[in-house]
Amino acid sequence: AQSVSQHNHHVILSEAASLELGCNYSYGGTVNLFWYVQYPGQHLQLLLKYFSGDPLVKGIKGFEAEFIKSKFSFNLRKPSVQWSDTAEYFCAVIQKDTGRRALTFGSGTRLQVQP
Amino acid sequence: ETGVTQTPRHLVMGMTNKKSLKCEQHLGHNAMYWYKQSAKKPLELMFVYNFKEQTENNSVPSRFSPECPNSSHLFLHLHTLQPEDSALYLCASSQGLAGGPHEQYFGPGTRLTVT
Repeated sequence: AQSVSQHNHHVILSEAASLELGCNYSYGGTVNLFWYVQYPGQHLQLLLKYFSGDPLVKGIKGFEAEFIKSKFSFNLRKPSVQWSDTAEYFCAVIQKDTGRRALTFGSGTRLQVQP
Repeated sequence: ETGVTQTPRHLVMGMTNKKSLKCEQHLGHNAMYWYKQSAKKPLELMFVYNFKEQTENNSVPSRFSPECPNSSHLFLHLHTLQPEDSALYLCASSQGLAGGPHEQYFGPGTRLTVT
């Protein structure tokens, strides 16, 4: 079965530090990839997505992610985090070649940015 | 009202009660989803509806009964739940079924506690 792994469960950074959150998935076929963010007390919101084309995708608020097919990875990056980036981040995958039509989520990474 | 709304936001029910969760999307989307978010577990897909028809049931126990009267509304009817069903129930919608270039928009969730 498809699985999505986020190895960092809790990350603590100081403001202006660089961020990289790991995401690996197990499916070998064609995928759509997403990062969602959930700020405290708010909805899940889409941060960025990859469907096809340039494997380096840019999202909102200065985030970017790189799809590396050979590594089954879609890591999230931001060069300089802010206190307002404190949130939980979820990687999600859709297997395009199967009949499944919904997201498979990772367990999430809680990011805490200290001022 | 915009986006995806869910009511109630919080619900406490006994194991013998019957209650319903409501989701409404104001985005003109055709597909709607129920997800379950339990503590320390990834979001799990429960049901998918496309144009009011159920297209996916992710082996959900029959004590959860979905209903989709039209493309804008989705219900989750609950009866004889167990304490382990306590979780955050999230509704989402998308323009079309996932797998195409469609992102999912999430509601704020209903925090359910079964006593």
